[in-house]
Amino acid sequence: GAVVSQHPSWVICKSGTSVKIECRSLDFQATTMFWYRQFPKQSLMLMATSNEGSKATYEQGVEKDKFLINHASLTLSTLTVTSAHPEDSSFYICSARGLAGGPGETQYFGPGTRLLVL
Amino acid sequence: GESVGLHLPTLSVQEGDNSIINCAYSNSASDYFIWYKQESGKGPQFIIDIRSNMDKRQGQRVTVLLNKTVKHLSLQIAATQPGDSAVYFCAENKGDYKLSFGAGTTVTVRA
Repeated sequence: GAVVSQHPSWVICKSGTSVKIECRSLDFQATTMFWYRQFPKQSLMLMATSNEGSKATYEQGVEKDKFLINHASLTLSTLTVTSAHPEDSSFYICSARGLAGGPGETQYFGPGTRLLVL
Repeated sequence: GESVGLHLPTLSVQEGDNSIINCAYSNSASDYFIWYKQESGKGPQFIIDIRSNMDKRQGQRVTVLLNKTVKHLSLQIAATQPGDSAVYFCAENKGDYKLSFGAGTTVTVRA
């Protein structure tokens, strides 16, 4: 139980294009999803918190117009990197937290999406 | 800066021995901590968690100890196996279950 998936697992795009990454909770309803970024050999840095049906909240220093987050249902959140540039190349990981007392109360992570912007 | 940190960036352990990974945190108000394991190219995998009203919690081959007096968290892995080789992160609840991750400890298991 408590499985989180991400799609795609790999994406290579040209500079200036937009990329959408999907995060799904497969066997539980995720009231909250989180988006992280991880550079090589570094720790995870929280980018934003996504709550179903409301606007995402962004951590300090994260551009909300560049990283668009939508949490349209209790099982799906999307992160769109708009006008991607090489410095946006990173490993993007989502996590999901479910309803209190349910199998997803603890925060579970997806497998990550590696983005390479050329 | 990071509110959660790890004492050692790397740990080499002989297969079959016990491993101890340490973590220090700075926010005395933190009420929830989690240990994650991350293998290369994958997302973090939940290992075990502990709330601040506890000082010890055991799972399968793993034990988490919490010392609130010195703001220290540790993960003990019993009978370490080659499959335990990975980067281990402690994470702290900053509030609203937003997690702050430590720098990570790379564990290498020697055969």
